[in-house]
Amino acid sequence: TQLLEQSPQFLSIQEGENLTVYCNSSSVFSSLQWYRQEPGEGPVLLVTVVTGGEVKKLKRLTFQFGDARKDSSLHITAAQPGDTGLYLCAGAGVGNEKLTFGTGTRLTIIP
Amino acid sequence: NAGVTQTPKFRILKIGQSMTLQCTQDMNHNYMYWYRQDPGMGLKLIYYSVGAGITDKGEVPNGYNVSRSTTEDFPLRLELAAPSQTSVYFCASSYTGRGKLFFGSGTQLSVL
Repeated sequence: TQLLEQSPQFLSIQEGENLTVYCNSSSVFSSLQWYRQEPGEGPVLLVTVVTGGEVKKLKRLTFQFGDARKDSSLHITAAQPGDTGLYLCAGAGVGNEKLTFGTGTRLTIIP
Repeated sequence: NAGVTQTPKFRILKIGQSMTLQCTQDMNHNYMYWYRQDPGMGLKLIYYSVGAGITDKGEVPNGYNVSRSTTEDFPLRLELAAPSQTSVYFCASSYTGRGKLFFGSGTQLSVL
């Protein structure tokens, strides 16, 4: 079973600050996805990274896939209250049709 | 656009009761999934299907059953409900096995 550990589990910061959340595993993934989930809703895809070392930017969000494709990070610049939510990473194992979800990071941005 | 539709939104069951959670998608996706999400946690895969007539177990299949008679529908059956099945259940679909997942809005189930 491939495990994805996310850290921190909880994060509460002031509006305007920067933050980074991490997604780590001992397994290699062929691709990795990041989702955001708001209360009472299903997760919504933010980005997919597929190449080791890949960096993708989505406005104030920067996603990076580790060189060895075992880890990923999400950096948010100048956090806003609208960034509040549960952030989930999900990895597709090599030769595996199923995604494994991480443990999640619950982010709260205080106005 | 409907996307993935789940019903019911909320349900309370007594221990030992049975129920079916309904899921339908209108995107003609071959892949469909059932996940459960316990409070403050990530998602655990219960069952999945790669096409009509084909289903397979995920990480936590015990106490659940599924069927996939059509591309659109993927119901999840709970037999003999137990308190450990109290959770939020999400149905999802995707075009490919590792592709973007489209989620329904979830079913909050309590077993008392």
